[in-house]
Amino acid sequence: DTGVSQDPRHKITKRGQNVTFRCDPISEHNRLYWYRQTLGQGPEFLTYFQNEAQLEKSRLLSDRFSAERPKGSFSTLEIQRTEQGDSAMYLCASRSTGEGTEAFFGQGTRLTVV
Amino acid sequence: AQSVTQLDSQVPVFEEAPVELRCNYSSSVSVYLFWYVQYPNQGLQLLLKYLSGSTLVKGINGFEAEFNKSQTSFHLRKPSVHISDTAEYFCAVSRSDKLIFGTGTRLQVFP
Repeated sequence: DTGVSQDPRHKITKRGQNVTFRCDPISEHNRLYWYRQTLGQGPEFLTYFQNEAQLEKSRLLSDRFSAERPKGSFSTLEIQRTEQGDSAMYLCASRSTGEGTEAFFGQGTRLTVV
Repeated sequence: AQSVTQLDSQVPVFEEAPVELRCNYSSSVSVYLFWYVQYPNQGLQLLLKYLSGSTLVKGINGFEAEFNKSQTSFHLRKPSVHISDTAEYFCAVSRSDKLIFGTGTRLQVFP
């Protein structure tokens, strides 16, 4: 397994456009997380899945954001009507169920909204 | 609620010198604590974690951290840093199956 992969690595979009990011977790991991990281800050939790079920969404996740994990494998994060404030690094992580198990992170998708 | 405070936003140090990156957490219950490292334009990599047991935790790349319950701290240390240790370091606490991160400490190692 090559770890958690995210696509694309970089995305530049015009304000108002929709964007979609993909995350492929480590295959045996049933937990998948999305985080957002802005410059000079630590990652902030957005949402997470156990298999295909979305178990929690942060208040940071406005109505313009939607995440799916339809078959319990890869996940997509869509941002509709992007705003300049959406510019950030979007990180995906996966882990096995269990207290304290390590979360493995992808390299992230850097979104720039112009 | 649990939160994490990293007291230093930047730590400059010369190569081969020791370093300590400070982390304090707030929690009313038992915690799991983590240190992650992030190299430029990369994701996060786990350095070490504390779940229970010995309060001195050893991690990768020669790093170690000490869990101090009375001071609610989990400081990261390395006795001798290398240029390649230049990176951003994040302390995190596990809460309700997700990680809550501090704002990070930029470690800059100079030759």
